[in-house]
Amino acid sequence: DAGVIQSPRHEVTEMGQEVTLRCKPISGHNSLFWYRQTMMRGLELLIYFNNNVPIDDSGMPEDRFSAKMPNASFSTLKIQPSEPRDSAVYFCASSLGTGRGTDTQYFGPGTRLTVL
Amino acid sequence: DAKTTQPTSMDCAEGRAANLPCNHSTISGNEYVYWYRQIHSQGPQYIIHGLKNNETNEMASLIITEDRKSSTLILPHATLRDTAVYYCIVRGGSRLTFGEGTQLTVNP
Repeated sequence: DAGVIQSPRHEVTEMGQEVTLRCKPISGHNSLFWYRQTMMRGLELLIYFNNNVPIDDSGMPEDRFSAKMPNASFSTLKIQPSEPRDSAVYFCASSLGTGRGTDTQYFGPGTRLTVL
Repeated sequence: DAKTTQPTSMDCAEGRAANLPCNHSTISGNEYVYWYRQIHSQGPQYIIHGLKNNETNEMASLIITEDRKSSTLILPHATLRDTAVYYCIVRGGSRLTFGEGTQLTVNP
């Protein structure tokens, strides 16, 4: 199995630029999660989708962040405009989507974003 | 989801068993105990999960106390590649809430 695929693996951009992170979940998984990891705040959930529909976006920091899932095999997390404090590692995870406590999430390798 | 408490760091000799404790005294009946680990700069890796019975897989064993207020993750023969941050998470629904975890260092 290919696992969760994320691109790019590294992104360096300048403040004010638009950044788009991409994720391909494991085939057959119906839930997709976006997390952010920083030294200060640790790993935190930003948003998750079930059957391509956003279910909980309470973790999205502000309006500069948006996420879409146009189909079952692709999701994007967009930051516009980017700021230095957005520098972090962004992880995507997917799961079967049963919604129960046994629904294991599998993580991608992450995208390391640096905003100068 | 219930809050968990883990030691900040632990050391283990290579080849010995690593026993990582986790307290979750406010766990409720339908919440599962999950363990993930994160090797430096990589995505979190699923290890094992359980409800109330002890569980074992190819990576580790999970021992949950009868009152379910604490658990122990056991890596039976730790190797240098097991050096990582280990997260104990209690969850009942879709969300995973990560704490600070335990930094396990396996020494040669």
